[in-house]
Amino acid sequence: DAMVIQNPRYQVTQFGKPVTLSCSQTLNHNVMYWYQQKSSQAPKLLFHYYDKDFNNEADTPDNFQSRRPNTSFCFLDIRSPGLGDAAMYLCATSRVPQGQETQYFGPGTRLLVL
Amino acid sequence: AQKVTQAQTEISVVEKEDVTLDCVYETRDTTYYLFWYKQPPSGELVFLIRRNSFDEQNEISGRYSWNFQKSTSSFNFTITASQVVDSAVYFCALSEADTGGFKTIFGAGTRLFVKA
Repeated sequence: DAMVIQNPRYQVTQFGKPVTLSCSQTLNHNVMYWYQQKSSQAPKLLFHYYDKDFNNEADTPDNFQSRRPNTSFCFLDIRSPGLGDAAMYLCATSRVPQGQETQYFGPGTRLLVL
Repeated sequence: AQKVTQAQTEISVVEKEDVTLDCVYETRDTTYYLFWYKQPPSGELVFLIRRNSFDEQNEISGRYSWNFQKSTSSFNFTITASQVVDSAVYFCALSEADTGGFKTIFGAGTRLFVKA
């Protein structure tokens, strides 16, 4: 089945140690999104790629970066994780970045910072 | 500015009860889109429905139904004859035009517990 895959499902890192989360999709969608979801809160968009064009949300900390080497893969890099970065990170895709487009979500990677 | 309010933080019902999850939104645009997503304990958000601002027809899909009322800026979701498998967090979301494209804002979510 076509889907959005996130690895790993759980990631433990140390305070200040760089970590990379990965997302892949078999939907051949043009847009890939990264959301941060803290406990009992709504998902918050960090950034998205429309093809190779990177779109950063204004309030996304510089500590968060992203790479999209090809259509299928997108990575979230946290350069120096702090305790406040512990959260669920959700990857999503859509065909185009239009309001009516449904976003398809992966299962998420839960990040723990020690 | 866009805003989505889900006033109910948690709802607990007994199986077979009907339950309505409320969603109120704010927007200045005339063109916008509303969504409901389900997030089960596994974590993945699952799309349930999309509605555009020009289509106020209510929709029924099995045990699920949605009531969209522009006059009150509400897009409520009702589950009829709830089941334990309906236990999840439900998010209402609003998508409207923003600088450079569209932006989707999620409500804080309503956690639904369905007890057997």
